[in-house]
Amino acid sequence: KAGVTQTPRYLIKTRGQQVTLSCSPISGHRSVSWYQQTPGQGLQFLFEYFSETQRNKGNFPGRFSGRQFSNSRSEMNVSTLELGDSALYLCASSFGTSGTSYEQYFGPGTRLTVT
Amino acid sequence: DAKTTQPPSMDCAEGRAANLPCNHSTISGNEYVYWYRQIHSQGPQYIIHGLKNNETNEMASLIITEDRKSSTLILPHATLRDTAVYYCIVRGGYNFNKFYFGSGTKLNVKP
Repeated sequence: KAGVTQTPRYLIKTRGQQVTLSCSPISGHRSVSWYQQTPGQGLQFLFEYFSETQRNKGNFPGRFSGRQFSNSRSEMNVSTLELGDSALYLCASSFGTSGTSYEQYFGPGTRLTVT
Repeated sequence: DAKTTQPPSMDCAEGRAANLPCNHSTISGNEYVYWYRQIHSQGPQYIIHGLKNNETNEMASLIITEDRKSSTLILPHATLRDTAVYYCIVRGGYNFNKFYFGSGTKLNVKP
Protein backbone atom coordinates (compact mmCIF):
# COMPACT_ATOMS: atom_id res chain seq x y z
CA LYS A 1 0.00 0.00 0.00
CA ALA A 2 1.48 3.36 -0.99
CA GLY A 3 2.24 5.78 1.83
CA VAL A 4 1.33 9.41 2.25
CA THR A 5 2.76 11.52 -0.55
CA GLN A 6 3.44 15.22 -0.48
CA THR A 7 4.30 17.54 -3.32
CA PRO A 8 6.47 19.37 -3.87
CA ARG A 9 9.23 18.13 -1.57
CA TYR A 10 11.14 21.40 -1.65
CA LEU A 11 10.00 24.92 -2.38
CA ILE A 12 11.59 28.35 -2.30
CA LYS A 13 9.38 31.43 -2.24
CA THR A 14 9.85 35.10 -1.52
CA ARG A 15 8.10 37.18 1.11
CA GLY A 16 4.61 38.26 0.15
CA GLN A 17 4.01 35.39 -2.23
CA GLN A 18 1.54 32.61 -1.64
CA VAL A 19 2.09 28.87 -1.78
CA THR A 20 -0.03 25.74 -2.14
CA LEU A 21 1.13 22.38 -0.84
CA SER A 22 -0.49 19.09 -1.74
CA CYS A 23 -1.01 15.87 0.18
CA SER A 24 -2.33 12.51 -1.02
CA PRO A 25 -3.33 10.26 1.88
CA ILE A 26 -3.06 6.52 2.06
CA SER A 27 -5.80 4.86 0.02
CA GLY A 28 -8.92 4.45 2.15
CA HIS A 29 -7.92 7.08 4.69
CA ARG A 30 -10.41 9.90 5.06
CA SER A 31 -8.70 12.11 7.62
CA VAL A 32 -5.83 14.42 6.73
CA SER A 33 -3.97 16.59 9.22
CA TRP A 34 -1.33 19.21 8.61
CA TYR A 35 1.59 20.18 10.86
CA GLN A 36 4.31 22.77 10.77
CA GLN A 37 7.75 21.90 12.11
CA THR A 38 10.40 24.49 12.90
CA PRO A 39 13.55 24.23 15.04
CA GLY A 40 12.22 26.81 17.47
CA GLN A 41 8.59 25.72 17.88
CA GLY A 42 8.83 22.02 17.13
CA LEU A 43 5.86 20.20 15.60
CA GLN A 44 2.68 22.26 15.70
CA PHE A 45 -0.79 21.21 14.60
CA LEU A 46 -2.31 23.31 11.84
CA PHE A 47 -5.65 21.70 10.99
CA GLU A 48 -7.45 18.45 10.31
CA TYR A 49 -9.90 17.58 7.57
CA PHE A 50 -12.30 14.68 7.48
CA SER A 51 -14.72 14.03 4.63
CA GLU A 52 -14.04 17.48 3.15
CA THR A 53 -14.82 19.26 6.44
CA GLN A 54 -12.38 20.98 8.73
CA ARG A 55 -12.71 19.22 12.10
CA ASN A 56 -9.93 20.77 14.14
CA LYS A 57 -7.81 23.86 13.87
CA GLY A 58 -4.59 24.86 15.56
CA ASN A 59 -3.51 28.31 16.65
CA PHE A 60 -2.31 29.76 13.36
CA PRO A 61 -3.29 33.01 11.61
CA GLY A 62 -5.87 33.11 8.86
CA ARG A 63 -3.10 33.21 6.24
CA PHE A 64 -2.95 29.46 6.68
CA SER A 65 -5.86 27.65 5.11
CA GLY A 66 -6.64 24.25 3.73
CA ARG A 67 -9.20 22.14 1.99
CA GLN A 68 -9.94 18.53 1.27
CA PHE A 69 -11.35 17.08 -1.91
CA SER A 70 -13.86 14.29 -2.37
CA ASN A 71 -11.03 11.82 -3.04
CA SER A 72 -9.51 12.78 0.37
CA ARG A 73 -6.56 14.57 -1.17
CA SER A 74 -5.80 17.78 0.65
CA GLU A 75 -4.12 21.08 -0.03
CA MET A 76 -2.91 23.76 2.29
CA ASN A 77 -2.33 27.34 1.28
CA VAL A 78 -0.25 30.02 2.90
CA SER A 79 -0.83 33.56 1.67
CA THR A 80 1.40 36.60 2.10
CA LEU A 81 4.40 34.53 3.08
CA GLU A 82 6.65 35.70 5.91
CA LEU A 83 10.20 34.66 6.70
CA GLY A 84 8.91 32.83 9.77
CA ASP A 85 6.85 30.54 7.59
CA SER A 86 10.01 28.72 6.56
CA ALA A 87 9.46 25.23 7.89
CA LEU A 88 8.88 21.59 7.17
CA TYR A 89 5.18 21.09 6.50
CA LEU A 90 3.98 17.60 7.28
CA CYS A 91 0.80 15.91 6.26
CA ALA A 92 -0.62 12.91 8.10
CA SER A 93 -3.50 10.64 7.20
CA SER A 94 -5.60 8.24 9.21
CA PHE A 95 -8.60 6.06 8.57
CA GLY A 96 -10.90 7.69 11.06
CA THR A 97 -11.16 10.66 13.31
CA SER A 98 -12.63 11.71 16.64
CA GLY A 99 -13.20 9.11 19.27
CA THR A 100 -11.20 6.39 17.65
CA SER A 101 -7.74 5.01 18.19
CA TYR A 102 -6.52 5.15 14.63
CA GLU A 103 -2.88 6.04 14.24
CA GLN A 104 -1.72 8.76 11.89
CA TYR A 105 0.74 8.06 9.12
CA PHE A 106 2.99 10.90 8.12
CA GLY A 107 4.32 11.90 4.74
CA PRO A 108 7.92 12.97 4.10
CA GLY A 109 7.02 16.65 4.27
CA THR A 110 7.48 19.72 2.11
CA ARG A 111 10.46 21.90 2.99
CA LEU A 112 9.41 25.52 2.41
CA THR A 113 12.03 28.24 2.44
CA VAL A 114 10.91 31.87 2.37
CA THR A 115 13.53 34.43 1.35
CA ASP B 1 -5.39 18.84 26.34
CA ALA B 2 -3.10 16.63 28.32
CA LYS B 3 0.56 17.54 28.02
CA THR B 4 3.57 15.28 28.26
CA THR B 5 7.00 15.63 29.83
CA GLN B 6 10.02 13.76 28.48
CA PRO B 7 13.76 13.99 29.15
CA PRO B 8 15.47 15.93 26.36
CA SER B 9 18.02 13.22 25.58
CA MET B 10 19.14 9.72 26.46
CA ASP B 11 21.99 7.44 25.49
CA CYS B 12 21.79 3.72 24.91
CA ALA B 13 24.36 1.12 23.93
CA GLU B 14 23.67 -0.80 20.75
CA GLY B 15 22.03 -4.16 21.49
CA ARG B 16 20.77 -3.07 24.89
CA ALA B 17 17.20 -2.17 25.79
CA ALA B 18 16.26 1.49 25.54
CA ASN B 19 13.70 2.64 28.10
CA LEU B 20 12.15 6.02 27.33
CA PRO B 21 9.98 7.54 30.06
CA CYS B 22 7.05 9.92 29.69
CA ASN B 23 4.99 11.74 32.29
CA HIS B 24 1.36 12.59 31.47
CA SER B 25 -0.11 13.32 34.87
CA THR B 26 -3.15 15.23 33.50
CA ILE B 27 -4.31 12.43 31.21
CA SER B 28 -8.06 11.85 31.07
CA GLY B 29 -9.81 8.52 31.20
CA ASN B 30 -10.58 8.41 27.48
CA GLU B 31 -7.19 9.59 26.27
CA TYR B 32 -4.67 7.29 24.66
CA VAL B 33 -0.89 7.37 24.92
CA TYR B 34 0.87 7.30 21.56
CA TRP B 35 4.52 7.06 20.69
CA TYR B 36 6.07 8.31 17.47
CA ARG B 37 9.64 8.78 16.41
CA GLN B 38 11.25 11.07 13.90
CA ILE B 39 14.51 10.44 12.19
CA HIS B 40 16.20 13.62 11.04
CA SER B 41 14.11 15.56 8.50
CA GLN B 42 11.70 12.68 7.86
CA GLY B 43 8.03 12.53 8.81
CA PRO B 44 7.23 11.06 12.25
CA GLN B 45 6.77 7.30 12.30
CA TYR B 46 4.10 5.59 14.38
CA ILE B 47 5.48 3.14 16.94
CA ILE B 48 2.77 2.02 19.35
CA HIS B 49 -0.19 3.22 21.38
CA GLY B 50 -2.22 2.14 24.41
CA LEU B 51 -5.03 3.11 26.73
CA LYS B 52 -4.61 1.20 29.99
CA ASN B 53 -2.94 -2.11 29.34
CA ASN B 54 0.63 -2.76 28.36
CA GLU B 55 1.08 -3.22 24.65
CA THR B 56 3.69 -4.93 22.49
CA ASN B 57 4.28 -5.01 18.77
CA GLU B 58 7.16 -5.87 16.48
CA MET B 59 8.86 -2.55 17.16
CA ALA B 60 8.45 -1.91 20.86
CA SER B 61 6.62 -2.41 24.14
CA LEU B 62 4.58 0.18 25.96
CA ILE B 63 4.25 0.02 29.73
CA ILE B 64 1.55 2.26 31.25
CA THR B 65 1.40 2.68 35.02
CA GLU B 66 -1.76 1.70 36.81
CA ASP B 67 -2.71 5.31 37.52
CA ARG B 68 -1.91 6.13 33.85
CA LYS B 69 0.12 9.16 34.84
CA SER B 70 3.27 7.90 33.19
CA SER B 71 4.45 5.40 30.63
CA THR B 72 7.65 3.86 29.30
CA LEU B 73 8.51 2.93 25.74
CA ILE B 74 10.88 0.00 25.53
CA LEU B 75 12.98 -0.81 22.47
CA PRO B 76 14.21 -4.28 23.42
CA HIS B 77 17.41 -4.38 21.36
CA ALA B 78 18.37 -0.90 20.20
CA THR B 79 20.25 -0.53 16.93
CA LEU B 80 22.03 2.47 15.45
CA ARG B 81 19.01 2.99 13.20
CA ASP B 82 16.88 3.63 16.28
CA THR B 83 18.69 6.93 16.83
CA ALA B 84 15.85 9.46 16.55
CA VAL B 85 13.65 11.87 18.47
CA TYR B 86 10.90 9.98 20.28
CA TYR B 87 7.63 11.73 21.00
CA CYS B 88 5.10 10.73 23.62
CA ILE B 89 1.65 12.08 22.81
CA VAL B 90 -1.69 11.98 24.58
CA ARG B 91 -4.82 12.26 22.51
CA GLY B 92 -8.49 11.59 22.74
CA GLY B 93 -11.96 13.02 22.76
CA TYR B 94 -13.38 15.21 20.02
CA ASN B 95 -9.96 16.62 19.18
CA PHE B 96 -8.63 13.15 18.64
CA ASN B 97 -6.43 13.99 15.72
CA LYS B 98 -5.09 17.18 17.25
CA PHE B 99 -1.65 16.00 18.28
CA TYR B 100 0.54 17.90 20.70
CA PHE B 101 4.04 16.62 20.11
CA GLY B 102 6.04 18.36 22.80
CA SER B 103 9.83 18.43 22.62
CA GLY B 104 10.46 14.68 22.62
CA THR B 105 13.52 12.69 23.71
CA LYS B 106 16.57 12.47 21.48
CA LEU B 107 17.75 8.86 21.77
CA ASN B 108 21.39 8.36 20.86
CA VAL B 109 22.25 4.72 20.24
CA LYS B 110 26.00 4.24 20.45
CA PRO B 111 28.11 1.33 19.19
